[in-house]
Amino acid sequence: DGGITQSPKYLFRKEGQNVTLSCEQNLNHDAMYWYRQDPGQGLRLIYYSQIVNDFQKGDIAEGYSVSREKKESFPLTVTSAQKNPTAFYLCASSTGQGYQPQHFGDGTRLSIL
Amino acid sequence: KNQVEQSPQSLIILEGKNCTLQCNYTVSPFSNLRWYKQDTGRGPVSLTIMTFSENTKSNGRYTATLDADTKQSSLHITASQLSDSASYICVVRVMEYGNKLVFGAGTILRVKS
Repeated sequence: DGGITQSPKYLFRKEGQNVTLSCEQNLNHDAMYWYRQDPGQGLRLIYYSQIVNDFQKGDIAEGYSVSREKKESFPLTVTSAQKNPTAFYLCASSTGQGYQPQHFGDGTRLSIL
Repeated sequence: KNQVEQSPQSLIILEGKNCTLQCNYTVSPFSNLRWYKQDTGRGPVSLTIMTFSENTKSNGRYTATLDADTKQSSLHITASQLSDSASYICVVRVMEYGNKLVFGAGTILRVKS
């Protein structure tokens, strides 16, 4: 079955450490997205990519970085510059372009040690 | 400012009962409105999507309505089941450059037996 796989399910970060969240899709979708979800708030867009080797900042990109070397993969790195990284991170994908995710992964929960 | 407000924040109902969740938005210009269901620890799954010209859209026991004049939408769940326990998220797409999405914070529904 086609879908989006996020790993790991749970991740812990130490002070000053960079961590990378994996997102892989086998839906043959062109566009991929990363969202952050905090309790009591709506999802916020971190980065999105409409095509391989291209990506744009979303509303809260500071402290995060991404790459899009393959169509299937869109990893997110949470850097030490992100001072409040504890959140639920969701990866999504869609056909076409324009901020309209159609499928979401099951998320990675990141916590601070 | 583009905003999406959902009410109530949380709701508890007995299995078999109906319920209605509300979504008010100030997004302008409006492109479409989508309702998602998000189970705990999972990614959101799309239930319905409506453009400004649609008044109602059904998906099984879920029926969404839209009043573009008053900028209100509702999600009605009929004959609730324990598996309906989840967060329900309203998302509005802005019809402008970038076609941004504005997410509501969600309504947490708990169905009790």
